[in-house]
Amino acid sequence: DAMVIQNPRYQVTQFGKPVTLSCSQTLNHNVMYWYQQKSSQAPKLLFHYYDKDFNNEADTPDNFQSRRPNTSFCFLDIRSPGLGDAAMYLCATSRAKNNQPQHFGDGTRLSIL
Amino acid sequence: GENVEQHPSTLSVQEGDSAVIKCTYSDSASNYFPWYKQELGKGPQLIIDIRSNVGEKKDQRIAVTLNKTAKHFSLHITETQPEDSAVYFCAAKGGANNLFFGTGTRLTVIP
Repeated sequence: DAMVIQNPRYQVTQFGKPVTLSCSQTLNHNVMYWYQQKSSQAPKLLFHYYDKDFNNEADTPDNFQSRRPNTSFCFLDIRSPGLGDAAMYLCATSRAKNNQPQHFGDGTRLSIL
Repeated sequence: GENVEQHPSTLSVQEGDSAVIKCTYSDSASNYFPWYKQELGKGPQLIIDIRSNVGEKKDQRIAVTLNKTAKHFSLHITETQPEDSAVYFCAAKGGANNLFFGTGTRLTVIP
């Protein structure tokens, strides 16, 4: 049974049109992460939440934002997607931050028209 | 920050042979090293991990070794099967508590 669920699996949006990707987890983990993965590359961390504490990576573009309304759900908002934002977006969770395994969802593939 | 290098980028082996993927890291404070398998269209799946107080860990056909002095760790898959074909990522968790990934190895097991 899927423990980190991402919806939708495929998302198409227009250049500049805001889009929201969602992630839910049944693991009751404290930490939720959002990664961007481009073709044939490693996942790149965008930001993470430790409970309600938001941590942004220094090189995450300003038009990427996130919300975590409760333990189970986390959203990735892209305010004005550009062509370079087309990628796979992966959500992951871990029980805590220190030396704990991260469990990934199957991702949302975002296409920009 | 942490820098993780992974080799080779592609690896082809005959079914039944062993596969070895190697990674090096730069931050001596790193103390957690997971390996992920990513199949086409899916998210990375944790297959094995090792912590810095252990030199080797084995789970059936998969083993990982860690040399903290040399700052390198390796994934060993024995008796490879076609379903082992995937992209494998190593990672290291440094002092910043973020996971730093290697660049991936595309493993192909030839039946």
